[in-house]
Order: sequence, then structure tokens, then C-alpha cells
Amino acid sequence: DVKVTQSSRYLVKRTGEKVFLECVQDMDHENMFWYRQDPGLGLRLIYFSYDVKMKEKGDIPEGYSVSREKKERFSLILESASTNQTSMYLCASSLWGSVENTEAFFGQGTRLTVV
Amino acid sequence: AQKVTQAQTEISVVEKEDVTLDCVYETRDTTYYLFWYKQPPSGELVFLIRRNSFDEQNEISGRYSWNFQKSTSSFNFTITASQVVDSAVYFCALTSGQAGTALIFGKGTTLSVSS
Repeated sequence: DVKVTQSSRYLVKRTGEKVFLECVQDMDHENMFWYRQDPGLGLRLIYFSYDVKMKEKGDIPEGYSVSREKKERFSLILESASTNQTSMYLCASSLWGSVENTEAFFGQGTRLTVV
Repeated sequence: AQKVTQAQTEISVVEKEDVTLDCVYETRDTTYYLFWYKQPPSGELVFLIRRNSFDEQNEISGRYSWNFQKSTSSFNFTITASQVVDSAVYFCALTSGQAGTALIFGKGTTLSVSS
């Protein structure tokens, strides 16, 4: 089974702290994604990466950065956490092939609260 | 730009009713992939189906069926004889066949099935 593992299920941080959310996948997928999920807004894409050291901004990248030094790991960084970044964060990975894209596999999510 | 619209925010039905969840998409790509995901109250996103742009055949899987129509840019999902366990948030998603493109989600439809 494909596994996408997020480092924390619940996280509480203070305003202004630098926050790292880690995501690891074990299926050699090229694509990795970070989303945030808020009630009524669905899943909004923050950043995605289609290869090591490659990153692309999604719809809401402001206040976030990412790092992908190894294929299996994709980190989301909140440079200076603010209360409006309190949310559920979801990591996903998928295989990109020349013929067929597979579905994205999701981690269990990290519920981040910034106080 | 790619976009997915799920116009129905919430739907409530009684058990055994049929229900259709609408999904309308926008893309300029000729090769693209559409997905449906289910998110039950437990929170984990569950993949339901993938459809590529060259395959307009409808698909049926048990009580679930999907109607893909390129002419109207729609990929609708029908649950026949709904059950309480179908209560969840359902997301439609889109990605293109190009490397390095994002997976974009609609805002989701919350389905409540009562007994």
C-alpha cells in the first residue's frame, strides 16, 4: 500500500514561530502537493513539486515556503506563523507517467492551531 | 487556468434516495484527468475514480456511477439507493496530462443521508 505520512496529527504553535510540516511518501512518486482545508473553501493548493528541488506555487502560497531535497520528502514551512494559518494541512503524492496519471494519495492531515 | 466548480454546497437526502453530485470543470488542455474523492467524518481522503479525457464511457461501480460529458465539461457522480454510510464530503478534482501541473480540487459537496 502507498503510504503518505505526515509528521504530526495535531500541532499548536505560537504566533511568529517558524513551523515545519513534514511529509514522506514511500512509493517513489514524482509529484507531491501541500493543501490546506478550511470549511466551505475545499482543498486549496499551497505549493506542489514535480521533482527534487523543483517547486511551483499553487493558489495560496503567501506566508509559506517549501523544500524538496529528496524525492520522498516534501516539507511545508510557515516562516512566521499567524493565526490565519490555523487550518488542516494535507499532503499528497502522485505518480506522473507518460500515459496515465495515477490518483493522488493523501496523508492523514495535520491540524495546526496558531495561538 | 484550470478550475473545478461544485455548485452544490450541501445536499440532504433520506436513505434509499438517489442523489447526483455535480462537477463542472474548465481546462484548455486536450489531455486531462478527472477524479472523485470521498472524505468521511474520519477525515481521510478516499479515492473513488479516475477518468481521462479520451474516455467518455460512463462507469458504474456498485451503487456508484459517473457520467462524463466533454460537451458540457461535466463529470457528475450519482449514488443510487443512498445509505447513511455515504454521508461525507465529496470532492471533484482535475489535472492535465502535462508534467509539472497541479491537481486542482473543487470546494466539495457535503452529503448528509438520514435514516
